[in-house]
Amino acid sequence: AQTVTQSQPEMSVQEAETVTLSCTYDTSENNYYLFWYKQPPSRQMILVIRQEAYKQQNATENRFSVNFQKAAKSFSLKISDSQLGDTAMYFCAKSHSGGGADGLTFGKGTHLIIQP
Amino acid sequence: DTGVSQNPRHKITKRGQNVTFRCDPISEHNRLYWYRQTLGQGPEFLTYFQNEAQLEKSRLLSDRFSAERPKGSFSTLEIQRTEQGDSAMYLCASSLVGGPWDNQPQHFGDGTRLSIL
Repeated sequence: AQTVTQSQPEMSVQEAETVTLSCTYDTSENNYYLFWYKQPPSRQMILVIRQEAYKQQNATENRFSVNFQKAAKSFSLKISDSQLGDTAMYFCAKSHSGGGADGLTFGKGTHLIIQP
Repeated sequence: DTGVSQNPRHKITKRGQNVTFRCDPISEHNRLYWYRQTLGQGPEFLTYFQNEAQLEKSRLLSDRFSAERPKGSFSTLEIQRTEQGDSAMYLCASSLVGGPWDNQPQHFGDGTRLSIL
């Protein structure tokens, strides 16, 4: 069975600081997709960023960027200039196959709190 | 784009009863996914459909669970003879795959929260 591990149950930083959330995963596949999803309190899951494993360049979306280390099976999320609205649960997920369009395996999540 | 719609938002039922949830995906999306999320955990994959075909089922989907997508549009998830352990948030997601575009990521609904008394 595939596993996705998020080792930080909770993190707290001051507004405007940079924060990095960790994620490691287990796979024997060469191609797959990795995702970070955000789940604000009592609200729906929103895609933050995704990365295709065969692409060496790290994905970026505005203040969000990833550090993808394929050999180490590591996929961390960096949030720059953090904002109060970034407070949420963050889930790392991996696709079940290379197309990235079938089921996802999620980690247990990291609760990120941005302090004013 | 009206988003993924799930009904009901909350369902409270007694142990042993059957329950059915509905998911309406984003209109042009051909894939539809079901996940279960318990408190403090990440979502766990249950099953997904491409159009009306059920392509993947998790071992979590016991014989008490059945999902359908008869016309390739909305989907239903039924749980028979509910147990205490079925209490969870049931999430539906949809995506658009195939064709000349990249496979799109999954868009999630608000979920149906099931409480078993």
